[in-house]
Amino acid sequence: QQPVQSPQAVILREGEDAVINCSSSKALYSVHWYRQKHGEAPVFLMILLKGGEQKGHEKISASFNEKKQQSSLYLTASQLSYSGTYFCGTDLFGGTASKLTFGTGTRLQVTL
Amino acid sequence: SAVISQKPSRDICQRGTSLTIQCQVDSQVTMMFWYRQQPGQSLTLIATANQGSEATYESGFVIDKFPISRPNLTFSTLTVSNMSPEDSSIYLCSVQNGDTQYFGPGTRLTVL
Repeated sequence: QQPVQSPQAVILREGEDAVINCSSSKALYSVHWYRQKHGEAPVFLMILLKGGEQKGHEKISASFNEKKQQSSLYLTASQLSYSGTYFCGTDLFGGTASKLTFGTGTRLQVTL
Repeated sequence: SAVISQKPSRDICQRGTSLTIQCQVDSQVTMMFWYRQQPGQSLTLIATANQGSEATYESGFVIDKFPISRPNLTFSTLTVSNMSPEDSSIYLCSVQNGDTQYFGPGTRLTVL
């Protein structure tokens, strides 16, 4: 079953923060976050493995609550380059049985 | 990460014809995946293609419609057979490197 993301869309002014949520109905091995700009391929942002570890680089970070089967992506002090559609991809098993089911997507627009 | 190329980048095809999409990777990978992304939608996994074995198809996708070849560890093809306008989508290949999937640039297919 497809993970549900919220919000569906968000508009930010440059410098504002945003949180994107991803909820699964199944227990997860890992959560992957991607950003896709219009007409381009999805670009990998980060992966979170079960264990609830929070990860991040620069102004983008993410958390994974294994018990709640949820992950959140945090964008701080947003930049124009953050605009795009964000997808979470959930993996139930990892390893050689790994395959991703992508969420519904969140469209983010950052304006001046 | 891996460098992935796809051919063709886009094509316009007539109903009832078939198109073969190629995916080339710059390094040897065990697991390759084919996705479909319909306009404005999320990514949907078509099949997993591992070298040396038959492709594994997801629910709703069948080999007769989407035959896949995986002749070696750096190359795969996806054929979209007997096309209809409903097959108009972006088709993306991806490869697994460790726990992470990286995507090719995609093939934009329009069926008239």
